[in-house]
Amino acid sequence: AQSVTQPDIHITVSEGASLELRCNYSYGATPYLFWYVQSPGQGLQLLLKYFSGDTLVQGIKGFEAEFKRSQSSFNLRKPSVHWSDAAEYFCAVGPRSNDYKLSFGAGTTVTVRA
Amino acid sequence: DAGVTQSPTHLIKTRGQQVTLRCSPKSGHDTVSWYQQALGQGPQFIFQYYEEEERQRGNFPDRFSGHQFPNYSSELNVNALLLGDSALYLCASSLLAVETDTQYFGPGTRLTVL
Repeated sequence: AQSVTQPDIHITVSEGASLELRCNYSYGATPYLFWYVQSPGQGLQLLLKYFSGDTLVQGIKGFEAEFKRSQSSFNLRKPSVHWSDAAEYFCAVGPRSNDYKLSFGAGTTVTVRA
Repeated sequence: DAGVTQSPTHLIKTRGQQVTLRCSPKSGHDTVSWYQQALGQGPQFIFQYYEEEERQRGNFPDRFSGHQFPNYSSELNVNALLLGDSALYLCASSLLAVETDTQYFGPGTRLTVL
């Protein structure tokens, strides 16, 4: 069964500093991987996705993520955070073949201090 | 281009009542998935509809049912509401024809059961 682990529940970062959010997955085949962001009281917005090819993927809002098969990881990074990046971030795996659902991690809450 | 829309935004019900939530998919999409997001958790897959049929179901009781209409819009019905059904209900749409389909989420409906 597919699953996603986000080891960090909460991260606090200073505005202008770099950010890295960790994501580890368990999946029986080559995964499709996603990062979504959720602002308070809002739905999920897609930041980026990985299906195949280049293991470093670029997304919106200056985010990027790197797929590392050997580590079963798909970590999200941003070189310099803005106050507006304060939100909850979810990593997800799927859908694939006859399994159409997305399986999400528990999320990481990012707080940005001035 | 309209994204995924959901109605209502908020809903308050009492235990034992029934509720219907509605979703209109993104333009050009034919597949609708529903997720439940409890407070502080990642979204959990309820079911997915395609061609007016339930294509896959997550680990939710039969109290949760759905429907998809010919225009691809969808409803989620929950009967005999329990306190534990209080959550944000998210609808996501995608295009079946693309194997690497990406699910785009609506803003959600916040259901409170008293």
